[in-house]
Amino acid sequence: DSGVTQTPKHLITATGQRVTLRCSPRSGDLSVYWYQQSLDQGLQFLIQYYNGEERAKGNILERFSAQQFPDLHSELNLSSLELGDSALYFCASSTLDRGYSPLHFGNGTRLTVT
Amino acid sequence: AQSVTQLDSQVPVFEEAPVELRCNYSSSVSVYLFWYVQYPNQGLQLLLKYLSGSTLVKGINGFEAEFNKSQTSFHLRKPSVHISDTAEYFCTYFKTIFGAGTRLFVKA
Repeated sequence: DSGVTQTPKHLITATGQRVTLRCSPRSGDLSVYWYQQSLDQGLQFLIQYYNGEERAKGNILERFSAQQFPDLHSELNLSSLELGDSALYFCASSTLDRGYSPLHFGNGTRLTVT
Repeated sequence: AQSVTQLDSQVPVFEEAPVELRCNYSSSVSVYLFWYVQYPNQGLQLLLKYLSGSTLVKGINGFEAEFNKSQTSFHLRKPSVHISDTAEYFCTYFKTIFGAGTRLFVKA
């Protein structure tokens, strides 16, 4: 058990809809990362927050947004969903905002857009 | 642009045989390198990491990796694999750049 909790585990929704994915980081970890995993794109970094502030942005679409709250949990909002957004979305946390601090991954949220 | 290349998308191997999963990175600066493993229907978990110092790094489940700066490689090895090692393995650095993954399939 990594200590990172993601909810929900599965989400099925229709095109054009909006969903929110939630992540609770490991106790004591200040940094949260979001990733998208799909068969054709592999594991893609989306965005990182550290102690409530956005620190790095990756291949995140404009239709997607995220935030980290004062209690350090994070939410990833996906809107105007398209079929191609179907993927496994992972959250990971790390203690420090340093390259040497390893990641601890949640078990992911599987999003299916129909 | 910085990148990580995992040279094999799939590696089939018989149980108790040795295995090497290859990873090359592109960076001229100091790097921190990691290998993660993803078992079916699970998130990724840390296998091992190279931060500095000895170029041979030992991880969990009998895996080890060797950092080679001149060849910009960080290959993962295990001298004798088990069926339970069947999983996908990812090489990464800077936490934002992952390789495409190598699916290790161990056959009985």
